[in-house]
Amino acid sequence: NAGVTQTPKFRVLKTGQSMTLLCAQDMNHEYMYWYRQDPGMGLRLIHYSVGEGTTAKGEVPDGYNVSRLKKQNFLLGLESAAPSQTSVYFCATSDTNTGELFFGEGSRLTVL
Amino acid sequence: AQSVTQLDSHVSVSEGTPVLLRCNYSSSYSPSLFWYVQHPNKGLQLLLKYTSAATLVKGINGFEAEFKKSETSFHLTKPSAHMSDAAEYFCVVSPTSSNTGKLIFGQGTTLQVKP
Repeated sequence: NAGVTQTPKFRVLKTGQSMTLLCAQDMNHEYMYWYRQDPGMGLRLIHYSVGEGTTAKGEVPDGYNVSRLKKQNFLLGLESAAPSQTSVYFCATSDTNTGELFFGEGSRLTVL
Repeated sequence: AQSVTQLDSHVSVSEGTPVLLRCNYSSSYSPSLFWYVQHPNKGLQLLLKYTSAATLVKGINGFEAEFKKSETSFHLTKPSAHMSDAAEYFCVVSPTSSNTGKLIFGQGTTLQVKP
């Protein structure tokens, strides 16, 4: 039982490049989230999904896109990376009965 | 609107002494409240949660938190700090009136434990 798995764990991009972060869960949770973590700012919600085929904007959605084609996967895309997107990205799922979040171990992205 | 404020960005204690990490919240509804811990280079892990049952909530590793509605607080405590408690701690509020998943995180408190 892997829980929540993020790939890749580390990536360095040049400004303007694109990339996709993959989040996979085996917990059968409906809700999935993408957060970014920056020093002194806690975690900020980028996008989230309440079920297969649905997505919604969070607090800081600009510059990112997401897709939830399958229940177990939630993809986060950067179309044209900018240095301001240098961050640690966390995927999470939630148990809708308890509200508890389950996190992946993070993906560290550096944009030069 | 919901919000959460962690009153200390950094707390330093000696091993064996009590820990107090402070959290105040603002919510239009009866909230669910959580404390999460993040060890270096790791994801966040749930310590404990309050969901309108007992106001004193016990969590893992000897931590507990008390929900005080009159003070809109949910402070995290531990009687005796251990070196392994050194980590970053996040207070989180979840509005129970909605299932949108828009959880609100505090800015985090870094706990340092000195030998």
